[in-house]
Amino acid sequence: DSGVTQTPKHLITATGQRVTLRCSPRSGDLSVYWYQQSLDQGLQFLIQYYNGEERAKGNILERFSAQQFPDLHSELNLSSLELGDSALYFCASSPTTLDEQFFGPGTRLTVL
Amino acid sequence: GESVGLHLPTLSVQEGDNSIINCAYSNSASDYFIWYKQESGKGPQFIIDIRSNMDKRQGQRVTVLLNKTVKHLSLQIAATQPGDSAVYFCAETLNDYKLSFGAGTTVTVRA
Repeated sequence: DSGVTQTPKHLITATGQRVTLRCSPRSGDLSVYWYQQSLDQGLQFLIQYYNGEERAKGNILERFSAQQFPDLHSELNLSSLELGDSALYFCASSPTTLDEQFFGPGTRLTVL
Repeated sequence: GESVGLHLPTLSVQEGDNSIINCAYSNSASDYFIWYKQESGKGPQFIIDIRSNMDKRQGQRVTVLLNKTVKHLSLQIAATQPGDSAVYFCAETLNDYKLSFGAGTTVTVRA
């Protein structure tokens, strides 16, 4: 158990819908990272937040957005969902940046 | 964009033997490299890391080697055990802290 929690574990929804994935980092960690893992693209970095501020951005679609709240938990919002958005979404946290990242168990999103 | 790739998608190893998993990276500016292990149904788990000012780092039963001349990274697992069966990813960080992952090598340990 990494100490990072993600909810929900599974999510099934339809195309065009919007979903919110939630992540609680390890106690004391200030950085939160979001990753997408799909069969064809592998593990892709989406976005990083540090102490509430966006720190780095990867290949995140405009339909996706994220935020980190004052209590340091983070949410990833996915809108106008497409079939290709079906993937595992992982959250990771670290004490600051360039530290070891601890991954959560992931949320499996299925878009039908 | 930059990417990190693994030489072999799969590796089968006899229990008790040593395993070597290879990775090639393309960005000579990368300064931090990490190996992750991902078991079925779980998130990636940190194994070991190395910074670009080092060429070798050892952990418990694992060693990471970095050859900056040929931009090559390897993970050595000593006395491979059934619990080592997983997908192994190498990752590099670019200067802006984004992790780029390779495609992964699936390691299967034969009893």
